[in-house]
Amino acid sequence: KAGVTQTPRYLIKTRGQQVTLSCSPISGHRSVSWYQQTPGQGLQFLFEYFSETQRNKGNFPGRFSGRQFSNSRSEMNVSTLELGDSALYLCASSPTGGREKLFFGSGTQLSVL
Amino acid sequence: GESVGLHLPTLSVQEGDNSIINCAYSNSASDYFIWYKQESGKGPQFIIDIRSNMDKRQGQRVTVLLNKTVKHLSLQIAATQPGDSAVYFCAETRPGGSYIPTFGRGTSLIVHP
Repeated sequence: KAGVTQTPRYLIKTRGQQVTLSCSPISGHRSVSWYQQTPGQGLQFLFEYFSETQRNKGNFPGRFSGRQFSNSRSEMNVSTLELGDSALYLCASSPTGGREKLFFGSGTQLSVL
Repeated sequence: GESVGLHLPTLSVQEGDNSIINCAYSNSASDYFIWYKQESGKGPQFIIDIRSNMDKRQGQRVTVLLNKTVKHLSLQIAATQPGDSAVYFCAETRPGGSYIPTFGRGTSLIVHP
């Protein structure tokens, strides 16, 4: 089985722009979660989608949004980028999003200049 | 162990030694724990998990110990190899409602040949 695929691998944006990141989960996995990873804050949960519905949300501003498609692929969007949004954005999938291990992609490294 | 600062705690060992990585978790109600390994340029990868009804679980070269009394988790790696060099995260999951794991800050393991 192919693993979790995230695109693009690297992104450079300027303040005020918006960005869309993409994630293809492992085939058959219906839960997709997004995490922000920074050296200072570690892994912070953004949101989780299951069957095209946002099921859980972390403590991030409304500039961060996401969606999930019928094939379980997911996108996250960050609008009005700030310097502090520079981070590694990780997508993780699991079969049901229950008490189970997560399978992570390699992430998208976003730099905001 | 875990750190709330900017710098990860670091454990340096010689190849062939046994390594012990510690994690203090925050919620006494947490009932499912996972250790992840993150190599440079990659997303976290599952190593081993344990449920709160157990105090020890063994995998291939790894053992996780859970002490619920002091809310402490440890990962033991036997005969550490250079390929074990990575950042190790513990994650805890609380019962009731969402199963979103909370990640610790991580410990950097450096294995010297």
